[in-house]
Amino acid sequence: DARVTQTPRHKVTEMGQEVTMRCQPILGHNTVFWYRQTMMQGLELLAYFRNRAPLDDSGMPKDRFSAEMPDATLATLKIQPSEPRDSAVYFCASVGERYQETQYFGPGTRLLVL
Amino acid sequence: SQKIEQNSEALNIQEGKTATLTCNYTNYSPAYLQWYRQDPGRGPVFLLLIRENEKEKRKERLKVTFDTTLKQSLFHITASQPADSATYLCALEPSSYNTDKLIFGTGTRLQVFP
Repeated sequence: DARVTQTPRHKVTEMGQEVTMRCQPILGHNTVFWYRQTMMQGLELLAYFRNRAPLDDSGMPKDRFSAEMPDATLATLKIQPSEPRDSAVYFCASVGERYQETQYFGPGTRLLVL
Repeated sequence: SQKIEQNSEALNIQEGKTATLTCNYTNYSPAYLQWYRQDPGRGPVFLLLIRENEKEKRKERLKVTFDTTLKQSLFHITASQPADSATYLCALEPSSYNTDKLIFGTGTRLQVFP
């Protein structure tokens, strides 16, 4: 049963600390998305990659957020330094090669910055 | 400005009735529209996709309509069950993107009571 995995599932940290979230897309999927979900804003796209290359990170605060895909099986999202307003659920999703395919979401990382 | 709107208030219906959820958009010309289901503490799960040249799509008890003149999609669940209780998200890809990049609505919470 192929699925997207994310670690950690929960993270509590103090303001100013670095946070790293990891995502393993479904094997063979070549497009990976990072989203942030809050009650107020809903699901917002932060960045996405195709064939490991970053295509769009316009939704991401550049001064503190960074996203990478060091290889086809791992995507990372880092926040440094973290702030209380970063508290949210961060989702990773992956898509196969065919255009208009459904996105498969991971279970999310629930981040709380104190 | 570009917007996707879903009813922010929860929809409460009795088991066995048909639930109808609305997704309205402005200033987009979507290539297709998708509906996802999200349960608490989980990532969204794909339900249905409808393309710009399709009026209606069905899957078991689910039906989606797409009216590009009204800029609206309706999502119906017939013979609703308590297990259908969840938040339902609509998402679209503006046809100008051609990248599988999705813009999500904020979702409508459906509560089906016995």
